[in-house]
Amino acid sequence: DIVMTQSPVSLSVTPGEPASISCRSSQSLLYSDGNNYLDWYLQKPGQSPQVLIYMNSNRASGVPDRFSGSGSGTEFTLKISRVEPEDVGVYFCMHALEVPLTFGGGTKLEIK
Amino acid sequence: QVQLQQSGPGLVKPSQTLSLTCVISGDSVSSNIAAWSWIRQSPSRGLEWLGRTYYRSKWYSDYAVSVKSRITINADTSKNQLSLHLSSVTPEDTAVYYCARARTSGTYDHWGQGSPVTVSS
Repeated sequence: DIVMTQSPVSLSVTPGEPASISCRSSQSLLYSDGNNYLDWYLQKPGQSPQVLIYMNSNRASGVPDRFSGSGSGTEFTLKISRVEPEDVGVYFCMHALEVPLTFGGGTKLEIK
Repeated sequence: QVQLQQSGPGLVKPSQTLSLTCVISGDSVSSNIAAWSWIRQSPSRGLEWLGRTYYRSKWYSDYAVSVKSRITINADTSKNQLSLHLSSVTPEDTAVYYCARARTSGTYDHWGQGSPVTVSS
């Protein structure tokens, strides 16, 4: 199975400041079609996860443009350009390259 | 819009079978461009993909090795719903269980509300 490792485990950010979360996979998520099969999800308190970024860098419908995804191969980053209070929750990366799909351990974002 | 409504018991005894249902609206369980999965979440195991079923001229299923001998995911086309059956449960199976729809890329773009299940006598 592909192992997904996220860092940091938690971060506390002042509103308006940027934030960055890293995700590393144990094998390359770059497929022969040129796409990296890496998604980012946010689980707000008491809710189900919701997709933010799919295939590495594509924002899901309705996701603000302050969220961006980048990377390739085994190293990926989710960036929030200016954190808002509603961004609190746990962020997960997930690979969709093959079964079993696996998730990172999560990064908890808190607001200072 | 797509909605996934989950139901099922919140308490299951050890060695029994955990059964959950996910009613799908706004899409078809036999869609040729979607896959339907069960995913669970617990403090000890995090988010864990359990398996999926999908229709591409015929039905296919994939399961996680960790539960493969105990799990069945079924699609009921007459009711447009998905079901999960996990047999011989132990307290380790205590978790919040989610059904979710995946796009062809594998991205989960719709999730059920989650079903907390406790395995205890």
